[in-house]
Amino acid sequence: QQQVKQSPQSLIVQKGGISIINCAYENTAFDYFPWYQQFPGKGPALLIAIRPDVSEKKEGRFTISFNKSAKQFSLHIMDSQPGDSATYFCAATPSRGGSEKLVFGKGTKLTVNP
Amino acid sequence: GAGVSQSPSNKVTEKGKDVELRCDPISGHTALYWYRQSLGQGLEFLIYFQGNSAPDKSGLPSDRFSAERTGGSVSTLTIQRTQQEDSAVYLCASSLVRGSQPQHFGDGTRLSIL
Repeated sequence: QQQVKQSPQSLIVQKGGISIINCAYENTAFDYFPWYQQFPGKGPALLIAIRPDVSEKKEGRFTISFNKSAKQFSLHIMDSQPGDSATYFCAATPSRGGSEKLVFGKGTKLTVNP
Repeated sequence: GAGVSQSPSNKVTEKGKDVELRCDPISGHTALYWYRQSLGQGLEFLIYFQGNSAPDKSGLPSDRFSAERTGGSVSTLTIQRTQQEDSAVYLCASSLVRGSQPQHFGDGTRLSIL
């Protein structure tokens, strides 16, 4: 059973455009939602994260929007750049109790054309 | 070191052989995770260590997989009698203490079973 569903699988945008990646989760115990960026041959690196007490978090060109009632969250990349071309993973975890293991979506391969 | 260190970075072995993968977490991080990333898939949790507590082994796919963490620092993931379906990138992550995020990932070991 896939607990975090991510879409789209791949995304192509033009330089300067907005990239939007969506995730939906099922487990209401999840209370920490990070986004990771992964370049080929490298491990995932934390990009931005949110907890459900806020509906939006912005860091530079990256914004997470969170809808608790719909159990959905999304990553918006403003003014997308060719250097943003990477695979993006959403994840979720119950951060209190248990092992706090991350449950990942299957990833979105983003290509930003110059 | 400054980040999570994994070795080897690549490992090619024959079906049926045993392999050992090593993870050196960020100094001072007490929580350590192993994940597996198969081609085109998201990351799949394998095992979690926290201090002297019993590890959470709930993600290990079979009894051919085992892991240990010596002295609360370095961890070794062992796969016995490797199968072709074990081919994947094995990623290690660490976090400061239990219940703390984010998890910081190493660059992984790419394992290929011939």
